[in-house]
Amino acid sequence: AQTVTQSQPEMSVQEAETVTLSCTYDTSESNYYLFWYKQPPSRQMILVIRQEAYKQQNATENRFSVNFQKAAKSFSLKISDSQLGDTAMYFCAWGPSYNAGNMLTFGGGTRLMVKP
Amino acid sequence: DTGVSQDPRHKITKRGQNVTFRCDPISEHNRLYWYRQTLGQGPEFLTYFQNEAQLEKSRLLSDRFSAERPKGSFSTLEIQRTEQGDSAMYLCASSGPGTGVGTEAFFGQGTRLTVV
Repeated sequence: AQTVTQSQPEMSVQEAETVTLSCTYDTSESNYYLFWYKQPPSRQMILVIRQEAYKQQNATENRFSVNFQKAAKSFSLKISDSQLGDTAMYFCAWGPSYNAGNMLTFGGGTRLMVKP
Repeated sequence: DTGVSQDPRHKITKRGQNVTFRCDPISEHNRLYWYRQTLGQGPEFLTYFQNEAQLEKSRLLSDRFSAERPKGSFSTLEIQRTEQGDSAMYLCASSGPGTGVGTEAFFGQGTRLTVV
């Protein structure tokens, strides 16, 4: 069975600064997907970024980028130029290579607060 | 398209009663997922449909739980003889066919169940 661990229950960052959220996972699969999802208060889960394990290049989406270390089973999320709207729960998730990886195993989440 | 829709948004029920939730996925999405999220935790996968076929069920889905997607469009999740431990947010997600970019799962806002 797969496990996903987020070791930082809460983090805070000043507006416009950079923050990195950590995630480690365990799997015996060689190919899979990794995701970061954002869940704002009382709103639905939104995909932030997706990484396919067979791709060595780290995924980026505007201010969001990942550091994917397959051998170390580490998948951290860097948020640059943090904005107040980035305040949310962030979940790291693992998905199998089939079904576009959407049967997800989630970590416990990191609550991020962006301070003005 | 307004995204994934879930109904009701909130449900309070007495222990022992049956409840049913509905999920309407994005119209062209053939894949549908149910997750359960307890307070302060990451979502846990419950079950997956491709069209009308239920292809995966988690061990979390006890005999009291049943899910259907009769015509490959909307889905229902029924919980019989509810217990206080069933109190959680029930999330539905949908995704399109294929495995490439754009096949990520989109989540609804969830149904919050409180068993008293």
